[in-house]
Formats: sequence, structure tokens, C-alpha cells
Amino acid sequence: DIQMTQSPSAMSASVGDRVTITCRASQGINSYLAWFQQKPGKVPKRLIYGASSLQSGVPSRFSGSASGTIFTLTISSLQPEDFATYYCLQHSTYPLTFGGGTKVEIK
Amino acid sequence: EVLLVESGGGLVQPGGSLRLSCAASGFTFSTYWMTWVRQAPGKGLEWVANIKEDGSEKYYVDSVKGRFTISRDNADNSVFLQMNSLRAEDTAVYYCARSNWGPDSWGQGTLVTVSS
Repeated sequence: DIQMTQSPSAMSASVGDRVTITCRASQGINSYLAWFQQKPGKVPKRLIYGASSLQSGVPSRFSGSASGTIFTLTISSLQPEDFATYYCLQHSTYPLTFGGGTKVEIK
Repeated sequence: EVLLVESGGGLVQPGGSLRLSCAASGFTFSTYWMTWVRQAPGKGLEWVANIKEDGSEKYYVDSVKGRFTISRDNADNSVFLQMNSLRAEDTAVYYCARSNWGPDSWGQGTLVTVSS
């Protein structure tokens, strides 16, 4: 199985901060990587697909990038509504696997 | 607008069975893979199963193989998850999702609680 190691597991940040979350795949997954945002009690929302393509309707402060087996989600300027938990998902190979999640909290 | 509505969750005893349903609308259901994802209370997301557009291919996470069966009815725009031999560790919110470069649209989820 492909392991997705997501870091950090939690972080504190302030409004306006640049935030970077990383997922490392245990083997190559090409660009079959998506990022999701989940707020407490809410349904996960896809932000990024294909490692770097922005989901329609998602603000442009969110971006995704890839370098080999390391994938990064960047929030260029954190907004109050961005405080949430973020997950990566590889869908290259079965079983599909999520990262463990990153909880972004208010500093 | 894509709409996915799950139903069928509830309280079941260990060893029991449940059948989850997901009614889809707002897109051409028969042209998309469909997915079930679950989330145990206070935990992260876990992929459970996928089914191909025509139902000819099905994939499962190891922990549910032999116990859960994914199926679909393209005439009725629905996908199902038959869950047998349920265990306490299957307790979770179960989400149905359309698969388009991974899950893109998600339902609201249905809670399954396995407890005596």
C-alpha cells in the first residue's frame, strides 16, 4: 500500500500568514493527488486535484505543487475561514490512501 | 448541481448488517466511478470502496474485504454499500462521493454505529 505521510499534524497560524502543508508518498503516484479541506461537522471539500489544479470556486490563495513524491498545499494568506483540517489523498493505486490530516488552528 | 444523498445508517449490533444507499442527481451518473469514504468519530478520512461506471470493477480497503459489497443501479442513479459482519471499528460517518480525478462531490454522510 502507498503511505501518505502528512506534516505537520497540527499547526497554529495567524490571519495573513503563509501556510504550507506537505504530503510525502511512499512511492511514485504521478499527479494523482488531491487536497481536501474539512471544517468541524462539515463535509470534506476538494481544493486541489491533479496535484496542482485548483477546483472551481476555490479561492486562488490555495495552490498545490509537486516535486517527485513530495506534494505541497500552500495557502498564500490565511483567512479566518481557512481554519480547518486539511487532508491529502493519493488515487494512483488501490487502496486509495489519505494522509493523516493537518489541523490549522488560530494562533 | 451535483447532489448526493446517503441513507440507511443507524445503530446495529456487532455481527449485524446494514445497507447504505446513495441517491445521485445533477449529473450523468452512469459515466462516473463512485466512491465510499468513512470517518470514525474524531478521526481522519478512510477510503472504503470504489465501483466503475458499469459496475464491472470494484475495489475495497483490506479491512472490509469479504464483509462489504459495493454495487450500483444506473437505471436508478444509486450506489449502495452492503455491510455485513459489522464490527465496532466500522463505526463512522459514511460518505458517498462522485469520483472524477478522485472524489470531487460528496454527500452529507450517514452515521453507522456498531454497538451492543
